[in-house]
Amino acid sequence: DGGITQSPKYLFRKEGQNVTLSCEQNLNHDAMYWYRQDPGQGLRLIYYSQIVNDFQKGDIAEGYSVSREKKESFPLTVTSAQKNPTAFYLCASIPRGGPDYGYTFGSGTRLTVV
Amino acid sequence: AQSVTQLGSHVSVSEGALVLLRCNYSSSVPPYLFWYVQYPNQGLQLLLKYTSAATLVKGINGFEAEFKKSETSFHLTKPSAHMSDAAEYFCAVSDTNDYKLSFGAGTTVTVRA
Repeated sequence: DGGITQSPKYLFRKEGQNVTLSCEQNLNHDAMYWYRQDPGQGLRLIYYSQIVNDFQKGDIAEGYSVSREKKESFPLTVTSAQKNPTAFYLCASIPRGGPDYGYTFGSGTRLTVV
Repeated sequence: AQSVTQLGSHVSVSEGALVLLRCNYSSSVPPYLFWYVQYPNQGLQLLLKYTSAATLVKGINGFEAEFKKSETSFHLTKPSAHMSDAAEYFCAVSDTNDYKLSFGAGTTVTVRA
């Protein structure tokens, strides 16, 4: 079955450490998105990419970086510059046809700073 | 820029009672609108979406929503709540240019037996 795989499900980061969250899709979707979820704040957009080798900052990009070297993959790196990274991270994708065809979400990665 | 306001961060209903979750949006053009449900530590599941077809949209699990352009609203309803409806619900609007989703802050629904 097609879908989005996010890994790992749980991730622990030490202070000053960079960590990378994986997002892989086998839906042949063109656009991919990373969202951060905090209690009471809904989901906020970190980065998005509409085509390979191109990506744009969302509303809260500071302290994060991404790459889009393959259509299927959109990894998110949480750098040491992100001072409050503890959150639930969700990856999503959508085909070229747009919202008529719906968004697909992964099952998320919960990142905790220890 | 798109924005979404969900009225009420918590809603408590009795089993069998009406569920009503309110959502208002701001958009300069006819939007795409969505309702998602989330269970603890899981991703988002689509309940229904409005994409400029019928203004009354039926979704999964007995939910429906009505798009009212004059009120810029997209409220979600279910006639009879079930215990399994206890979850967090998000309203979202899509940018028609690059399809970015903007979410409301969410409404947590609890169902009393």
